[in-house]
Amino acid sequence: SQQGEEDPQALSIQEGENATMNCSYKTSINNLQWYRQNSGRGLVHLILIRSNEREKHSGRLRVTLDTSKKSSSLLITASRAADTASYFCATDATQGYQKVTFGIGTKLQVIP
Amino acid sequence: DAGITQSPRYKITETGRQVTLMCHQTWSHSYMFWYRQDLGHGLRLIYYSAAADITDKGEVPDGYVVSRSKTENFPLTLESATRSQTSVYFCASKANRGTEAFFGQGTRLTVV
Repeated sequence: SQQGEEDPQALSIQEGENATMNCSYKTSINNLQWYRQNSGRGLVHLILIRSNEREKHSGRLRVTLDTSKKSSSLLITASRAADTASYFCATDATQGYQKVTFGIGTKLQVIP
Repeated sequence: DAGITQSPRYKITETGRQVTLMCHQTWSHSYMFWYRQDLGHGLRLIYYSAAADITDKGEVPDGYVVSRSKTENFPLTLESATRSQTSVYFCASKANRGTEAFFGQGTRLTVV
């Protein structure tokens, strides 16, 4: 089974609105990462948050991490049509080799 | 060119054939990964490697073989392709613990 699960699986909003996506995971982690995938392309790294951090910002992105609940959220503020993409969370587990496992993703559509 | 490249970008093969997907990175990253992406499943880890000559199974390794004789290359071989292996395959690399992964453009494989 996959480590991370994003919620919702699909989200449609108007340009200018904020978009919030959630991720839950199962095992202890070193860090959690968020990636974006435009249709038909490879994944692009957005932001990494370490297990000892609770919140991190990067431009219009805000990520929170709650290790007690094994969950994270990604907030995109003032969304743009160019933000239309699928968003994935990924985790680096604390045990074993540094394999990175992904969730199913949230498909975000920003309507101009 | 610096980065991570996959070849071929598109491949059509017949059931039962052996096919190898290539992945090459120029950063000398220690870790490399192979994922497959299917609708409804997100990205699933097939195999990963922590260094040259060190590989390990991911979530869905059956029917695949990998090798890593050189740090920069991580080929994925389908020994006897099946229709269920029709998918988009992504290769990724990362430097070490706590860093982000970089993805190739993907290989779209169709098994007929």
